[in-house]
Amino acid sequence: GIQVEQSPPDLILQEGANSTLRCNFSDSVNNLQWFHQNPWGQLINLFYIPSGTKQNGRLSATTVATERYSLLYISSSQTTDSGVYFCAVGRNGNQFYFGTGTSLTVIP
Amino acid sequence: NAGVTQTPKFQVLKTGQSMTLQCAQDMNHEYMSWYRQDPGMGLRLIHYSVGAGITDQGEVPNGYNVSRSTTEDFPLRLLSAAPSQTSVYFCASSYTRLGGPYEQYFGPGTRLTVT
Repeated sequence: GIQVEQSPPDLILQEGANSTLRCNFSDSVNNLQWFHQNPWGQLINLFYIPSGTKQNGRLSATTVATERYSLLYISSSQTTDSGVYFCAVGRNGNQFYFGTGTSLTVIP
Repeated sequence: NAGVTQTPKFQVLKTGQSMTLQCAQDMNHEYMSWYRQDPGMGLRLIHYSVGAGITDQGEVPNGYNVSRSTTEDFPLRLLSAAPSQTSVYFCASSYTRLGGPYEQYFGPGTRLTVT
């Protein structure tokens, strides 16, 4: 399968700070998603981004498929951003591989 | 649209018991899948389906059965529960693209404990 590594594993931020989360993957992919798992366990779609750059409010993401990584940017963080952020990838088929996540805590 | 729904939300089983986790979606998605999430780990694919009557194994299929008789429903069956199957189970659905899942949407999860 495809190995997915996320960094950092844990991150603590003061409210208002910016952060960058990274996802490296071991093979070429044509499907990449970022998810936020909130403290209640719900998985929320952030971006479907197999390549290029997208922005949604304070969040943006960039995937450089040729170099096998994706970045998630969170600006002006809020306490509601706390939770675990997952990157998941797939390639030419139906297997979909998740990283182990970045646990984010935003302190007021 | 209700999206992806899962029942039950919580379940406790004794070793050797069987049960079915239910998953339904109302978005007319072809692709449906089941994942398990264990502490400190990401989600791992158990089984998936690309349409009614078609299912296949994912990364960790042992101990689980699935069937897909309708587009809307994709139940996951544990035939003889084991403590190693204690986990949180998520169902997801999506349209297909390039033969695989497009943007996947997840249900709220089922927390299963096997004693």
